[in-house]
Amino acid sequence: KAGVTQTPRYLIKTRGQQVTLSCSPISGHRSVSWYQQTPGQGLQFLFEYFSETQRNKGNFPGRFSGRQFSNSRSEMNVSTLELGDSALYLCASSALGSTTNEKLFFGSGTQLSVL
Amino acid sequence: AQSVTQLGSHVSVSEGALVLLRCNYSSSVPPYLFWYVQYPNQGLQLLLKYTSAATLVKGINGFEAEFKKSETSFHLTKPSAHMSDAAEYFCAVSHSGGSNYKLTFGKGTLLTVNP
Repeated sequence: KAGVTQTPRYLIKTRGQQVTLSCSPISGHRSVSWYQQTPGQGLQFLFEYFSETQRNKGNFPGRFSGRQFSNSRSEMNVSTLELGDSALYLCASSALGSTTNEKLFFGSGTQLSVL
Repeated sequence: AQSVTQLGSHVSVSEGALVLLRCNYSSSVPPYLFWYVQYPNQGLQLLLKYTSAATLVKGINGFEAEFKKSETSFHLTKPSAHMSDAAEYFCAVSHSGGSNYKLTFGKGTLLTVNP
């Protein structure tokens, strides 16, 4: 079974631009969560999608948004990029999602650098 | 509200020595507790999970953790460190909160294993 796939692996953008990150979960998994990882703040929860619906959201500004498609693939979008958005963005999938506290399977992440 | 504190952002041990990574949590309801490991340039991988079935939890790669409610701790141990254990370790807490569910991670502990 293929693991969680995140594309692209690396991204370089400039301030003010927008960016879209993609995540393909493990086949059969319906839940996709996104996390931002930085050296200073550690791992912070962005949002979770389950069956195309956002089920939970972290404390991030509205510039951060996401969506999930019918095949469970998910995209995350960040508009009007700021220097502080430079981070590793991790996607995690699970079969039934957060309410079951089951194991999360993580992708290798997208390293975003904002110049 | 829930939170996780990992004592020591960096732990260094010799190969063959005991590994002890500390985690204390705060939760207003009975928690679910996790340890994840992140190897360089990879996503996170679940080591073990506590869900109230047993206080001593055994995980992969020889790691185990003990839930101590009186101390609100969930420390991770391994009797004998191996070079391949060098990685960053994250403790995380959640609870069965339905739509308010959130998996909260600690800031991580970087484990270095010296030959």
